[in-house]
Amino acid sequence: EVQLLQSGAEVKKPGATVKISCKVSGYNFTDYYMHWVQQAPATGLEWMGLVDPQDDETIYAEKFQGRVTITADTSTHTAYMELSSLKSEDTAVYYCAPGLATKSWFDPWGQGTLVTVSS
Amino acid sequence: EIVMTQSPATLSVSPGERATLSCRASQSVSSQLAWYQQKPGQAPRLLIYGASFRATGIPARFSGSGSRTDFTLTISSLQSEDFAVYYCQQYSNGLTFGGGTKLEIK
Repeated sequence: EVQLLQSGAEVKKPGATVKISCKVSGYNFTDYYMHWVQQAPATGLEWMGLVDPQDDETIYAEKFQGRVTITADTSTHTAYMELSSLKSEDTAVYYCAPGLATKSWFDPWGQGTLVTVSS
Repeated sequence: EIVMTQSPATLSVSPGERATLSCRASQSVSSQLAWYQQKPGQAPRLLIYGASFRATGIPARFSGSGSRTDFTLTISSLQSEDFAVYYCQQYSNGLTFGGGTKLEIK
């Protein structure tokens, strides 16, 4: 059974950085791209970017370019998403999800990590 | 960026009846469209990919149709567990989601 286990909820101050992990089991970690999706109250579901665990290639959405860093650790089958210069608008649930390609549907999704940005 | 528009925003249907949800793309996405179901406090769950292919384990009452810019998700006979929010997503040019349709009990 494929499982994606994300790290727990975070509370951050504006301007801070958050790093979320996503540990994978049940499939070969390097066979799929790992995507990250933000679900915020005002903007809904937005794709943030991806990493190819095979070669660490990344692609980022224009909206998050410069603030997001997505990495993968093949030794621990874990992907990470780091978002910097946090703003109140970044208060959201963040999901990891594997995809067969750089442009793909997502199945399954991690359980989500709530990040709250508040002073 | 391809904009995905879902309608209606809220759909009220009685259990046992058919529900029809729509998704429109601002430009052609061919058949590169997926549908997801999301319940409160849960992650989205893949229902349909390639516009009409059911994901593993998805009941036959869920069906997808359409191509290019107009797509439909049909739930043939609503069960209690089907009341949720549904999202479409295109993966033809970039990756964008619709705003969702909330399916509620009438």
